[in-house]
Amino acid sequence: SYELTQPPSVSVSPGQTARITCSGDALPKKYAYWYQQKSGQAPVLVIYEDSKRPSGIPERFSGSSSGTMATLTISGAQVEDEADYYCYSRDSSGNHRVFGGGTKLTVL
Amino acid sequence: QVQLVESGGGVVQPGRSLRLSCATSGFIFSTYGMNWVRQAPGKGLEWVAFISYDGTSKYYADSVKGRFTISRDNSKNTLYLQMSSLRADDSAVYYCARPNWNGDIDFDYWGQGTLVTVSS
Repeated sequence: SYELTQPPSVSVSPGQTARITCSGDALPKKYAYWYQQKSGQAPVLVIYEDSKRPSGIPERFSGSSSGTMATLTISGAQVEDEADYYCYSRDSSGNHRVFGGGTKLTVL
Repeated sequence: QVQLVESGGGVVQPGRSLRLSCATSGFIFSTYGMNWVRQAPGKGLEWVAFISYDGTSKYYADSVKGRFTISRDNSKNTLYLQMSSLRADDSAVYYCARPNWNGDIDFDYWGQGTLVTVSS
């Protein structure tokens, strides 16, 4: 079955740039999406279709995708950005949805 | 406003069955495909199943295929997940999730989740 691979953890100091990667064989043809999940809460979409930002999401969140890797970038990370981040996409058939394993972002 | 309210979770013995429901309101349920997503305690998100707006197309994660059945009742604005042959690793919070209006975003609205614990 199709898999998306993320690093388990990323750590940055406040104000630094955090980059979280997501690799998958179908990403050249399928969009990547990024969800933020804070403890005890439902996930919140922060990036869709590789690089689009939903309304209400701060501009410091951006996304990109090249080849088999998508990247979520948080420029000037804030303490409140500490959360688990999940990439999401579909397999090559488009029928099966897949989440990456998640990356715990620590900002301290 | 869009509301998704899951119910039916609880403690169930391995091998038994359980049916989850997701009651919806605030939108025209019959025009949207719907998903179930789960999250085991302390673990990541896992997509479980999708059903098209009219129930004619259904897709499942390999981990639940043949054991779980997704269905819907458009007259009741309700989504279901029938779970059978439950295993300990099915223990999770189960969320129903709806796409956005044009389908660009598979999981735009989420319920609060219902906890399923499979244990003897």
